[in-house]
Amino acid sequence: DAGITQSPRHKVTETGTPVTLRCHQTENHRYMYWYRQDPGHGLRLIHYSYGVKDTDKGEVSDGYSVSRSKTEDFLLTLESATSSQTSVYFCAINPRRGGYGYTFGSGTRLTVV
Amino acid sequence: ELKVEQNPLFLSMQEGKNYTIYCNYSTTSDRLYWYRQDPGKSLESLFVLLSNGAVKQEGRLMASLDTKARLSTLHITAAVHDLSATYFCAVDISGSARQLTFGSGTQLTVLP
Repeated sequence: DAGITQSPRHKVTETGTPVTLRCHQTENHRYMYWYRQDPGHGLRLIHYSYGVKDTDKGEVSDGYSVSRSKTEDFLLTLESATSSQTSVYFCAINPRRGGYGYTFGSGTRLTVV
Repeated sequence: ELKVEQNPLFLSMQEGKNYTIYCNYSTTSDRLYWYRQDPGKSLESLFVLLSNGAVKQEGRLMASLDTKARLSTLHITAAVHDLSATYFCAVDISGSARQLTFGSGTQLTVLP
């Protein structure tokens, strides 16, 4: 989607290794979010940020950490990946303008083996 | 804790038919979103409903919001194959960060 990119698009990693996913926006939005998508669960919020160095936990934050040192970048880190973290991860930005939906990145498909 | 329930979870329908997807949520909210997702793709914003009684239409899709009943509907008119996708509703949690809570999604298949 225009203004928001995620990297990598696909990743396979081994159990116990650290993994960092990146979300980059060019829209200068204050609010950014990380979701994971699993069959039967829709999307669930992991962490969100409301400004540089301002982050908070979501519904499924255990095993994840985030950082936001610049407005445009929001990083999601799995400190020690587990098989239960195999999922599709989406980053989103909130334009906070009435009538506009949140914009989602293209997603990162992570497989932990 | 906000809960968002969609039904049905799976919907198979014939081309040309009408159907409605329902989205119920458990706590007060005045913002509801509908998204479409094609297999292997990201989420595409369809509708943003910002007030009680809001109705929006785009092509064969029409969404409405009843905040008193905590219910939103996505109505499909004269379905065509191109509408086959998964549809999600999502509700804002009140507060400054306005996180979205999603329903589980409705997987729609339109058969010829």
